[in-house]
Amino acid sequence: GDKVKQSPSALSLQEGTNSALRCNFSIAATTVQWFLQNPRGSLINLFYLVPGTKENGRLKSTFNSKESYSTLHIRDAQLEDSGTYFCAADTGNTRKLIFGLGTTLQVQP
Amino acid sequence: EAAVTQSPRNKVAVTGGKVTLSCNQTNNHNNMYWYRQDTGHGLRLIHYSYGAGSTEKGDIPDGYKASRPSQENFSLILELATPSQTSVYFCASGLRGGEVFFGKGTRLTVV
Repeated sequence: GDKVKQSPSALSLQEGTNSALRCNFSIAATTVQWFLQNPRGSLINLFYLVPGTKENGRLKSTFNSKESYSTLHIRDAQLEDSGTYFCAADTGNTRKLIFGLGTTLQVQP
Repeated sequence: EAAVTQSPRNKVAVTGGKVTLSCNQTNNHNNMYWYRQDTGHGLRLIHYSYGAGSTEKGDIPDGYKASRPSQENFSLILELATPSQTSVYFCASGLRGGEVFFGKGTRLTVV
């Protein structure tokens, strides 16, 4: 968790509201992935990013390699968005993903 | 979407016994990985592989061996299981520098 720091560690949202999750890197990340771990424990791929921005429905993610951070924006949060969000970085040299400790999101009705 | 299949999905083992966790991918990915997930530690890399016949130590390899007999299969072996190895284990596959995909996990309990 030291090389990839996620914030906040936990978050509670009302349905319909927006939020942003953040990852800061102390390594030279070349690609970033965002995952959602659902209540069953499965890791669902959300985004795979080189530096830049991607959008998918109510989710939008940005990876800024120069400033060593990535963000995940959730718009109009729904109950099914609840779970733990992980970011993971690859430095390119090591060919392995380094994970943050996750942000646990609970969406309330 | 890329498919990674782990077996078994749940396992109870006795202390000192041998445990083998299996992983199969049909995506023709070169790289495969074994992670464990524990509360407070997130996902930590145990072993990984660049291709058939290769295995590399990850960040927490002690007490584990790995085997990559083919492009499709990657096993994690606990020769002498201990209660501290009780965890959820995830296998993953990906291309070099590309997107990584995970299996559904194996819950291992060592009693």
